[in-house]
Amino acid sequence: DIQLTQSPSFLSASVGDRVTITCRASQGISSYLAWYQQKPGKAPKLLIYAASTFQSGVPSRFSGSGSGTDFTLTISSLQPEDFATYYCQQLNSYPLTFGGGTKVEIK
Amino acid sequence: EVQLVESGGGLVQPGGSLRLSCAASGFTFSSYDMHWVRQATGKGLEWVSIIGTAGDTFYPGSVKGRFTISRENAKNSLYLQMNSLRAGDTAVYYCARGVCTNGGCSFDYWGQGTLVTVSS
Repeated sequence: DIQLTQSPSFLSASVGDRVTITCRASQGISSYLAWYQQKPGKAPKLLIYAASTFQSGVPSRFSGSGSGTDFTLTISSLQPEDFATYYCQQLNSYPLTFGGGTKVEIK
Repeated sequence: EVQLVESGGGLVQPGGSLRLSCAASGFTFSSYDMHWVRQATGKGLEWVSIIGTAGDTFYPGSVKGRFTISRENAKNSLYLQMNSLRAGDTAVYYCARGVCTNGGCSFDYWGQGTLVTVSS
């Protein structure tokens, strides 16, 4: 199984900060990586797929990069509505797996 | 508007069974892979199963042999039959639509989830 390691697992930041979350795969997954945002009590919401392609309607302050084993999600200027937990997911091979999550909280 | 609505969750004893349903609307259900994903309280996401458009299925080792995913395209419905339930299966269960476009795949729509509690 492909393991995804997200770091950090917890991040405290202020509105306007630039935030970067990393996701490392235990083996190469090409660009078959997606990022989701989840708020408490809600279903996950797709942000980015194919490592760097925006889902329709996602603000441009979100960006993704990487391929192979190392990936990043960047929020260029954190907004109040961005405080949430973020998950990466590999869709290269079964079983599909998620990273452990990164909780972004208000400093 | 794409909608996915899960139902069927509840309290079940260890060793028991439960069948979850997911009603889909707003898209051509038969044309999409469908997935189940679960999340224990305060924990991360865990993929549970997929059923492809041709009826092909895959499961992780944690549920293989106990859970069965199925679909009924005429009713725009997805199901998850869960047998031999354990306390570790306690979670919110989400159905999600799978899609592959522009060189990548993802789960682009999710239901609101249904809670399964396995306890005596």
